[in-house]
Amino acid sequence: QSALTQPASVSGSPGQSITISCTGTSSDIGAYNYVSWYQQHPGKAPKLMIYDVTYRPSGVSNRFSGSKSGNTASLTISGLQAEDEADYYCSSYTTTSTRVFGGGTKLTVL
Amino acid sequence: QVQLVESGGGVVQPGRSLRLSCAASGLTFSIYGMHWVRQAPGKGLEWVAAISYDGSDKYYADSVKGRFTLSRDNSRNTLYLQMNSLRPEDTAVYYCAKDIQGRVAIDYWGQGTLVAVSS
Repeated sequence: QSALTQPASVSGSPGQSITISCTGTSSDIGAYNYVSWYQQHPGKAPKLMIYDVTYRPSGVSNRFSGSKSGNTASLTISGLQAEDEADYYCSSYTTTSTRVFGGGTKLTVL
Repeated sequence: QVQLVESGGGVVQPGRSLRLSCAASGLTFSIYGMHWVRQAPGKGLEWVAAISYDGSDKYYADSVKGRFTLSRDNSRNTLYLQMNSLRPEDTAVYYCAKDIQGRVAIDYWGQGTLVAVSS
């Protein structure tokens, strides 16, 4: 049950687009289309932004999108806004019916 | 609206036990898979355990297997986590969370309860 691999930090200017990668294995990300992404502001509970690789829950901005290729999933945020500054975590279902999270990526909006 | 309210956290000595509870409201608790996810201070999220909607299936992270036990009481809309043989590395905020119905994705989290294991 090793954690998924995410970059520790990414940054971008308002209006730009950024992409956060999440690398796993054939036992998690590569096995199913069950990747989720969460946004967490300091001191707050995580918020679901993307599930099943590409689906956005109701109320989440369409500036957030997800994709997957092989064992790597990605979250793209377009038209960066100051409020997007937060920690982002990916998560995947695994072949042993458990879940695994990534180490988290701190997004800084310059 | 959906509410998941955790309780039972606190300071405990290594080797001792603690039971966390999660009271659910605003939803039909008995149809959702439920989870505990923890976050050590300044660290990332770590999935701890999951239980199916009816309690028939339970899954644990290797780091807690054999020490933690997950259960639920659908008549009381409550999820429990019995934590035994606690270690300093178990220190974290523990979040109760629910799956999207019929999906393999956590969509809603409580506000968390802090467990500190220290002598």
